[in-house]
Amino acid sequence: GQQLNQSPQSMFIQEGEDVSMNCTSSSIFNTWLWYKQEPGEGPVLLIALYKAGELTSNGRLTAQFGITRKDSFLNISASIPSDVGIYFCAGQPGGTSYGKLTFGQGTILTVHP
Amino acid sequence: DAGVIQSPRHEVTEMGQEVTLRCKPISGHDYLFWYRQTMMRGLELLIYFNNNVPIDDSGMPEDRFSAKMPNASFSTLKIQPSEPRDSAVYFCASSLRGSYEQFFGPGTRLTVL
Repeated sequence: GQQLNQSPQSMFIQEGEDVSMNCTSSSIFNTWLWYKQEPGEGPVLLIALYKAGELTSNGRLTAQFGITRKDSFLNISASIPSDVGIYFCAGQPGGTSYGKLTFGQGTILTVHP
Repeated sequence: DAGVIQSPRHEVTEMGQEVTLRCKPISGHDYLFWYRQTMMRGLELLIYFNNNVPIDDSGMPEDRFSAKMPNASFSTLKIQPSEPRDSAVYFCASSLRGSYEQFFGPGTRLTVL
């Protein structure tokens, strides 16, 4: 099936630093979504992207839908301790049935105060 | 507004026993998804429904797994008989037709001894 390569697998940063993570695919995606999962909880949607080249912000978070439609990145500016969690990219591959998302392996973010 | 509701939150059972996981989607959402999350395999889509009808069950691991959606506000995922390798966190998610944004429940952590 479709695979998403998400990197890095984990990050250890100091509070206040900026964070960048990305997802790539060998095939075209129609939609990119970014989720955050905290311990013991389900993934929570952060940002949704629908058009190639689209750049969307949600507070300190900014995400972009790559122009080739094969990648996306998520930036977190001025990180704070509550940013800790696992961040997942997810996408709707072109040609697949509606609603069927493919998820990346996740990026584990640790923020040191 | 209530989000996706799952029960139980934790389930510990012995190998061979039947396990039933329950989900109530967000009111008005017409798509419902069941996922399984493990360290080794990440988030895997098991099955999804549209308007209570199963659309794609290609992710269901084997015949021991079954899912039903008798009405728009309730779905079950059953494992019979359960095996230790079924231990995982099972998530239910729902979405609206026309949106790729899936909203996840808190999950059920299943441990099969």
